[in-house]
Amino acid sequence: SQKIEQNSEALNIQEGKTATLTCNYTNYSPAYLQWYRQDPGRGPVFLLLIRENEKEKRKERLKVTFDTTLKQSLFHITASQPADSATYLCALGTYIPTFGRGTSLIVHP
Amino acid sequence: DGGITQSPKYLFRKEGQNVTLSCEQNLNHDAMYWYRQDPGQGLRLIYYSQIVNDFQKGDIAEGYSVSREKKESFPLTVTSAQKNPTAFYLCASSASGDTDTQYFGPGTRLTVL
Repeated sequence: SQKIEQNSEALNIQEGKTATLTCNYTNYSPAYLQWYRQDPGRGPVFLLLIRENEKEKRKERLKVTFDTTLKQSLFHITASQPADSATYLCALGTYIPTFGRGTSLIVHP
Repeated sequence: DGGITQSPKYLFRKEGQNVTLSCEQNLNHDAMYWYRQDPGQGLRLIYYSQIVNDFQKGDIAEGYSVSREKKESFPLTVTSAQKNPTAFYLCASSASGDTDTQYFGPGTRLTVL
């Protein structure tokens, strides 16, 4: 069956460091992959989309890679700040996205 | 101020009662979606609509119903047939139904007493 895996354990890092979150998938051939940020008690907010024929996408301090051979996406936040603390969801699909469970990021000052 | 709104933010219901969650968007989006989120779980698709007067079941449609009479509105009814309705409900919209960015509302937290 199709499966999306994000680390269920929270990622704790120090302010200023680069945070790297992982999204692995099995039994999928997605046309695209998206990353969203979700704060407690709120709806997710779209961050980045990367398509199957793209290797890397950047937006300000954010970088996403997409390796269809490894079936993995990495999401990087450089120069992390406490305000980056949130849950980050990956979503992938060929039409309507399927969401992973998300990974909580905690940036310590 | 464009966006997507959901009401109410918190909703309490007695067992056996139907309840309707509101979702409105002024983004002129064609596609709208309803998701359910449980603690530690990903978003699960309940229903989606790509165009007015048309909608399709998602992965967990049992016990729910929807309507799409207007482009800007996509209400969700949680019926008494839904065995475990306590959850966080999220409505989203996108320009079309194909890979577009989804814009989410603030969510409604439903608690069954």
